[in-house]
Amino acid sequence: EAQVTQNPRYLITVTGKKLTVTCSQNMNHEYMSWYRQDPGLGLRQIYYSMNVEVTDKGDVPEGYKVSRKEKRNFPLILESPSPNQTSLYFCASSPGTSGIYNEQFFGPGTRLTVL
Amino acid sequence: QKEVEQDPGPLSVPEGAIVSLNCTYSNSAFQYFMWYRQYSRKGPELLMYTYSSGNKEDGRFTAQVDKSSKYISLFIRDSQPSDSATYLCALYQGGKLIFGQGTELSVKP
Repeated sequence: EAQVTQNPRYLITVTGKKLTVTCSQNMNHEYMSWYRQDPGLGLRQIYYSMNVEVTDKGDVPEGYKVSRKEKRNFPLILESPSPNQTSLYFCASSPGTSGIYNEQFFGPGTRLTVL
Repeated sequence: QKEVEQDPGPLSVPEGAIVSLNCTYSNSAFQYFMWYRQYSRKGPELLMYTYSSGNKEDGRFTAQVDKSSKYISLFIRDSQPSDSATYLCALYQGGKLIFGQGTELSVKP
């Protein structure tokens, strides 16, 4: 089944404890992206990657790191999480970045709580 | 000013009503205009996509873009309870996808 998977789905952690949220897609998509969703603010893009080894900042990159060493994986790293990073996180991928090929397929979400 | 503004609602309508959802944007460089639907506890899914001014129909859904006014709309005809969800407009340019805040729609039987 073609899909975007994220792990873990739920995570409660404490301030300052490094964590990684994994994202993997099995559709051979070029483009991958991370978003956070907060009430009243909608979905905001954190980082995106248009291809392997190419990453760019979205609207809210502070406090996050990403890497794209392989086409299928795009992990989100929080080196020192803080309570303001408590949010619902979505990973997405798309075949490309032109026309309908930029239709993004979203993963199921990761609910992160930082105490 | 936010790049994309969307009325957050919530919006409650009776079954069979015509629903109009709207977004305005400020950056004329946006190339593609999309509407995503998000059911509770799920990731968003693409509903409609267009790149030019005018109307695009798909069943009961019509997406409308007015680039001169920087205004996009989604119309839902004969709304059904299964249409109850949050609808998000999204605008794409150069790798970045900017979402509106989302409008929560409830269609009552």
